Amino acid sequence: DTEVTQTPKHLVMGMTNKKSLKCEQHMGHRAMYWYKQKAKKPPELMFVYSYEKLSINESVPSRFSPECPNSSLLNLHLHALQPEDSALYLCASSQGTGRYNEQFFGPGTRLTVL
Amino acid sequence: KNEVEQSPQNLTAQEGEFITINCSYSVGISALHWLQQHPGGGIVSLFMLSSGKKKHGRLIATINIQEKHSSLHITASHPRDSAVYICAVNPGSNYKLTFGKGTLLTVNP
Repeated sequence: DTEVTQTPKHLVMGMTNKKSLKCEQHMGHRAMYWYKQKAKKPPELMFVYSYEKLSINESVPSRFSPECPNSSLLNLHLHALQPEDSALYLCASSQGTGRYNEQFFGPGTRLTVL
Repeated sequence: KNEVEQSPQNLTAQEGEFITINCSYSVGISALHWLQQHPGGGIVSLFMLSSGKKKHGRLIATINIQEKHSSLHITASHPRDSAVYICAVNPGSNYKLTFGKGTLLTVNP
């Protein structure tokens, strides 16, 4: 299984809602990533988990809260988002975080904040 | 800071044509990645290169470390190849990817 899955595919939420994005991989990868991608822009790294521990937070606002319950699963909890947070949220995984690790991306969750 | 430049930004081709997309970067890297993204879709990793050349089906990727340059070639292009192709690099020992702005390829039937 060489796939990263993400649910839901689409999410529409109001600014007062609380929702979660889910990412799963069964490749035995020990590093998992969240990226945010705005239209016609490259992805921007948000968080990195290595061996289920948060190793990088790229100064992301606290209204985004990541969680890694186990080595296969990565969640992104959303609360009190702003319309400018509307974007494609991509999850990725890699064997490790060393320099020769290929990242495998999921299909993304298209988030719209009203 | 590593800059990643891709050319061209946009490319339109007729089905069957040979396609080349170029990527240049400014500092030493440990690996270079070619990624594909269909409109509105997720990202697919096509290649990871640290030297030489790799081939997968109709896709060929090459890298010249001394010249800090990589090319992605598509032979016998097909409309389903229409997508954004993104070059990304791992600078030095850093796992963090620096992305180019992407090349939008449109292949007409």
